[in-house]
Amino acid sequence: KAGVTQTPRYLIKTRGQQVTLSCSPISGHRSVSWYQQTPGQGLQFLFEYFSETQRNKGNFPGRFSGRQFSNSRSEMNVSTLELGDSALYLCASSSQPGQGEGNEQFFGPGTRLTVL
Amino acid sequence: KNEVEQSPQNLTAQEGEFITINCSYSVGISALHWLQQHPGGGIVSLFMLSSGKKKHGRLIATINIQEKHSSLHITASHPRDSAVYICAVRPRGGADGLTFGKGTHLIIQP
Repeated sequence: KAGVTQTPRYLIKTRGQQVTLSCSPISGHRSVSWYQQTPGQGLQFLFEYFSETQRNKGNFPGRFSGRQFSNSRSEMNVSTLELGDSALYLCASSSQPGQGEGNEQFFGPGTRLTVL
Repeated sequence: KNEVEQSPQNLTAQEGEFITINCSYSVGISALHWLQQHPGGGIVSLFMLSSGKKKHGRLIATINIQEKHSSLHITASHPRDSAVYICAVRPRGGADGLTFGKGTHLIIQP
């Protein structure tokens, strides 16, 4: 079974631009979560999607948005990029959303975004 | 506010030593995750548990729900265990996503 894939793996943008990142979950997984990792803040939760619906959202400004398609692939978008948005963006998929001890998350390799 | 504290922040040990990493959290949870991150960024889920103890190979994870505390143990440590180990919790009710600790940087020297 193929793992979680994220594209692109690396991205360089300038301030004010917008960016779209893509995540394809493991086949059969319907839940996708997004995380931001920075040296200063560590890992932080962005969103969780299940069956094309956003279930949870972390404490991020409205410039951060996402969506999930009927095939469970997910995209996240960051508009009006700021220098502080430079980070590793990780997505993870699971078979079900939220709680449940058997609901392990499988992480993708991440997209490293650099904002200049 | 849900907080997750890990200790130690950094740990260097010799090959073969028994390793313990601790995680404390402040709210009721539905599940606790232990994650491993190698240089380059890839994250692997090691354990997901809500009670008791789990074992996988040389790794053991325990959780005490009453004390809001979990430990990750590595027996017979090996240089390939060198990585960042991250504890994460999902608050009970599932209204929020995972909250992460800052991670423990583990180096195992040959």
